[in-house]
Amino acid sequence: QKEVEQNSGPLSVPEGAIASLNCTYSDRGSQSFFWYRQYSGKSPELIMFIYSNGDKEDGRFTAQLNKASQYVSLLIRDSQPSDSATYLCADYNFNKFYFGSGTKLNVKP
Amino acid sequence: EAQVTQNPRYLITVTGKKLTVTCSQNMNHEYMSWYRQDPGLGLRQIYYSMNVEVTDKGDVPEGYKVSRKEKRNFPLILESPSPNQTSLYFCASSYGQPDTQYFGPGTRLTVL
Repeated sequence: QKEVEQNSGPLSVPEGAIASLNCTYSDRGSQSFFWYRQYSGKSPELIMFIYSNGDKEDGRFTAQLNKASQYVSLLIRDSQPSDSATYLCADYNFNKFYFGSGTKLNVKP
Repeated sequence: EAQVTQNPRYLITVTGKKLTVTCSQNMNHEYMSWYRQDPGLGLRQIYYSMNVEVTDKGDVPEGYKVSRKEKRNFPLILESPSPNQTSLYFCASSYGQPDTQYFGPGTRLTVL
C-alpha cells in the first residue's frame, strides 16, 4: 500500500516567520511530488511540484526533495495570514496520485 | 475562462439509485481524474484517464465507473450508491503529467 504521510497539525506560526511543512512517502519508485494548498471549503490549487533531488524555489515557496530519505518538504518564507490553509502533499507514480491527509497551517497576525 | 466544471454541486440521494456526476474541462487537457475527499483521509484517487477511451483505476475504484468518450468530458457514475460513498468529490485535469492539475469546484454527495 503506497502511503504519503503528513502531520495533521495544526501548525501555528507568527506572521513573517518561516513555516516548514513535511511529508514522507513509502514508495521509492515515486517520480514526482506535488504541494497543493486548500482553503476551507475550496478546491486544492497547485503551489509547485518537484521531481529532482534538492531545492526548487518559487517566490516565497521552496520545495525540498530528498529521495534517499523519502521525504519532501515545503518552506514558506515571510508567512502571511492569507497562507492559513491546509497543505496537501502528493506523489505521482505510474500515472496515479497518492495524497497525504494534509497539514493545517495557521499564520497568526 | 479556463475551468473545470462539475455538476451537480450538491446531491442528496438514496441507497441504490443510480447517479452520474458530470465533469467537463475547456483546456484541451489529456489527463483527467476523479478524487474523493473524506475527513482525515485526504484526497484519494478513484479513476483517471490519460486520454480519450483510456481509463484506469486509481486507489479506490470500487463502486464507481467512468467513461471518456470525448476529451473534454469525464463523468463519474455510481450505479448503486451506498452510504459509504457519502463524500466530497473532485474532478481534475491537466495537459499531462507531471503537470499542474486544475480542480473543479467539488460535488458534495450524501447517500442516505
